[in-house]
Amino acid sequence: EDQVTQSPEALRLQEGESSSLNCSYTVSGLRGLFWYRQDPGKGPEFLFTLYSAGEEKEKERLKATLTKKESFLHITAPKPEDSATYLCAVQFYNNDMRFGAGTRLTVKP
Amino acid sequence: GAVVSQHPSRVICKSGTSVKIECRSLDFQATTMFWYRQFPKQSLMLMATSNEGSKATYEQGVEKDKFLINHASLTLSTLTVTSAHPEDSSFYICSAQRDSYEQYFGPGTRLTVT
Repeated sequence: EDQVTQSPEALRLQEGESSSLNCSYTVSGLRGLFWYRQDPGKGPEFLFTLYSAGEEKEKERLKATLTKKESFLHITAPKPEDSATYLCAVQFYNNDMRFGAGTRLTVKP
Repeated sequence: GAVVSQHPSRVICKSGTSVKIECRSLDFQATTMFWYRQFPKQSLMLMATSNEGSKATYEQGVEKDKFLINHASLTLSTLTVTSAHPEDSSFYICSAQRDSYEQYFGPGTRLTVT
């Protein structure tokens, strides 16, 4: 059965305290893996797409990496404005996407 | 680029009435659009996939006669919740897919059925 699991469920960091969020998957027919940021009451905001193992992408304080079984979203020196729920999703070749449950990140000043 | 809008952002309707939600890709053409539903503190659940000019494909357990989807053009898809009931109250989010397969999401529509 295809599964997407994110951990931890919630993460509280002090401003400047770097950490990583994990997204592990067991799927067949994976086209790509997506990371999104979602603020309360809003739609997900696209961050990254990763298509092959070993691929890395960066944007400001965020860096996403991909292996054959999992992806990491590294947050370097986070700021309070990075507080949000981070969602990962896998996309199948039929365009369907399956989302993980998300990691709720809180960064305290 | 890659902006997706939804209208309305919030809607309150009475039980038994129908509600239409619009999803538009503002700066690109989307051959495929998706409709999701999200309950509080839960992740997105795909309801249906729609391709321009063809019938939508619904996920298992989603009633196609209750959630009518129309994808009339490459920039517009609509979701109509027919004969709405309080259990249909939820956050509905659409997404539009570019040729690069990336999905961009709208801001969501909060539906409350009284």
